[in-house]
Amino acid sequence: AQKITQTQPGMFVQEKEAVTLDCTYDTSDPSYGLFWYKQPSSGEMIFLIYQGSYDQQNATEGRYSLNFQKARKSANLVISASQLGDSAMYFCAMRGGPQGAQKLVFGQGTRLTINP
Amino acid sequence: DTGVSQNPRHKITKRGQNVTFRCDPISEHNRLYWYRQTLGQGPEFLTYFQNEAQLEKSRLLSDRFSAERPKGSFSTLEIQRTEQGDSAMYLCASSLNILYGYTFGSGTRLTVV
Repeated sequence: AQKITQTQPGMFVQEKEAVTLDCTYDTSDPSYGLFWYKQPSSGEMIFLIYQGSYDQQNATEGRYSLNFQKARKSANLVISASQLGDSAMYFCAMRGGPQGAQKLVFGQGTRLTINP
Repeated sequence: DTGVSQNPRHKITKRGQNVTFRCDPISEHNRLYWYRQTLGQGPEFLTYFQNEAQLEKSRLLSDRFSAERPKGSFSTLEIQRTEQGDSAMYLCASSLNILYGYTFGSGTRLTVV
């Protein structure tokens, strides 16, 4: 069974600083995908970034990058030059399992607060 | 098409009543998912449709819960005889290809009093 662990319940960062949100995962499947979602107070889950288990390079999307360390089973999200609008819950999630497996398994989330 | 739409946004109901939520996915997405999120937790998978076929159901989906997607477009999630433990955010999502994740709706927040 897949499991996602996010060990930081809350993070407080000054505006314009970089921030790293931790995520470790556990799976026995050789093929899997890792995702990060942002959930503002409005409740919608916003897709940020995706990393496939066979991808050779770390994924990047604008100010977001994923620090993928396969041997350590970690997939940390790095946000560069944080902005006030980055304040939200952040969830790490994994897709895996048998071919065609459709569900995502989520971690418990990290609440990020950006201070002015 | 502006994304995944869920109605209502909020629902307050008395224990024992039935409630129904609706989800309209992105029109070209053939896959639709329901998740439940309780306070302080990540979303948990409930069920999944490909077109009109319900292909997977979580053990979280007790027999009081039923989901349908009759024409392969919108979906409904019904909870019968609601209990206080059903209070949660119910999230709907859709996708063309799971490989790259889903698009989520804004959710329906259910409060059972």
